[in-house]
Amino acid sequence: GDSVTQTEGPVTVSESESLIINCTYSATSIAYPNLFWYVRYPGEGLQLLLKVITAGQKGSSRGFEATYNKETTSFHLQKASVQESDSAVYYCALGTGNTGKLIFGLGTTLQVQP
Amino acid sequence: AQTIHQWPVAEIKAVGSPLSLGCTIKGKSSPNLYWYWQATGGTLQQLFYSITVGQVESVVQLNLSASRPKDDQFILSTEKLLLSHSGFYLCAWSRGEEQYFGPGTRLTVL
Repeated sequence: GDSVTQTEGPVTVSESESLIINCTYSATSIAYPNLFWYVRYPGEGLQLLLKVITAGQKGSSRGFEATYNKETTSFHLQKASVQESDSAVYYCALGTGNTGKLIFGLGTTLQVQP
Repeated sequence: AQTIHQWPVAEIKAVGSPLSLGCTIKGKSSPNLYWYWQATGGTLQQLFYSITVGQVESVVQLNLSASRPKDDQFILSTEKLLLSHSGFYLCAWSRGEEQYFGPGTRLTVL
């Protein structure tokens, strides 16, 4: 079946350091799934961070980037220099079709130390 | 602007008791609606989706049911709660490929 595997947390980094949260997927029900990163900041609801619906393309938002790599079935989230306000739980997700089914990873808790 | 409201914010219920969780979307006509569940330490799982009033499709069987009585309302319910129903319930609506989530309901079954 379809599944998403991401870096197990918590991940702790210092402010201004670089970050990568790995995400790999398995899509058996659809050849070219849509890929998403969602984020939940402390005390807030789950919100979309970025999406990419075309293989080979890169999405970016708030300094974060992720590239849809169909060869390696990966969608890693990267940021060159994190801030304390980036502390949150990040979820990688795979969209499997027009019914809107999303498959989520377990989530990665990021803690940025000042 | 679209807003999504869930109620209640949290519930503590006894095993075997009934449950009803609600979700309302304002500012979006005929949205696709979704229910998700997250057990403690688990991932978000989509439970139900609805494309139109009166029509609900089940994605995962958890001894729960869902209904869409109005265009802007989505209800999750069961007549008998199990311990395994504990967790966090999220309602969402979609625009294209993107989904927008409500604040969620924390359910504790004792």
